[in-house]
Amino acid sequence: GAVVSQHPSRVICKSGTSVKIECRSLDFQATTMFWYRQFPKKSLMLMATSNEGSKATYEQGVEKDKFLINHASLTLSTLTVTSAHPEDSSFYICSASTLAGGGTGELFFGEGSRLTVL
Amino acid sequence: AQSVTQLGSHVSVSEGALVLLRCNYSSSVPPYLFWYVQYPNQGLQLLLKYTSAATLVKGINGFEAEFKKSETSFHLTKPSAHMSDAAEYFCAVSGGSNYKLTFGKGTLLTVNP
Repeated sequence: GAVVSQHPSRVICKSGTSVKIECRSLDFQATTMFWYRQFPKKSLMLMATSNEGSKATYEQGVEKDKFLINHASLTLSTLTVTSAHPEDSSFYICSASTLAGGGTGELFFGEGSRLTVL
Repeated sequence: AQSVTQLGSHVSVSEGALVLLRCNYSSSVPPYLFWYVQYPNQGLQLLLKYTSAATLVKGINGFEAEFKKSETSFHLTKPSAHMSDAAEYFCAVSGGSNYKLTFGKGTLLTVNP
């Protein structure tokens, strides 16, 4: 149980285009999802916390107009990188919390999405 | 407030040798502690977690960790390294479901034949 799936796993786009990454909870309802960005050989950087039906809460320094997050249902959150530029190239990972975590704060992670902007 | 310090960004061991990855934490509330493993170009997978029950926690793939409150540590060990253990390992702390999970910077484990 508590499976999180991300799509696409890899995406290459041209500079200036927008890219959407989907994060789905397959066997549970995720009221809260988290989006992380990971630079090469670096730890995870929390970008935003997404709550179903409300606006995402962005971490300091994250441009909310560039990284649009939508959590329209209990099983789907999307991250859209708008007007992507090469510096947006990175590994993006979503995660979700669920009651299966027993109230510990445990997160269940998607497989990650590698974005390359040419 | 919570924080995690992983000592050593890179640990290299020989196949069959003991694996020891160090993690120290700070937390203003009783902590929940986690070790996650990340293989290249993949998401994070839970290895084990401490949830205030037994202080010695056993996880998948032969890993275990011991919670030591007096030392504020949660070091990860495995008696005998296997080539397939080569990956990035993250220690994380949480104060519960109302707290964000805070990650350490990660330790890259390489296993030499």
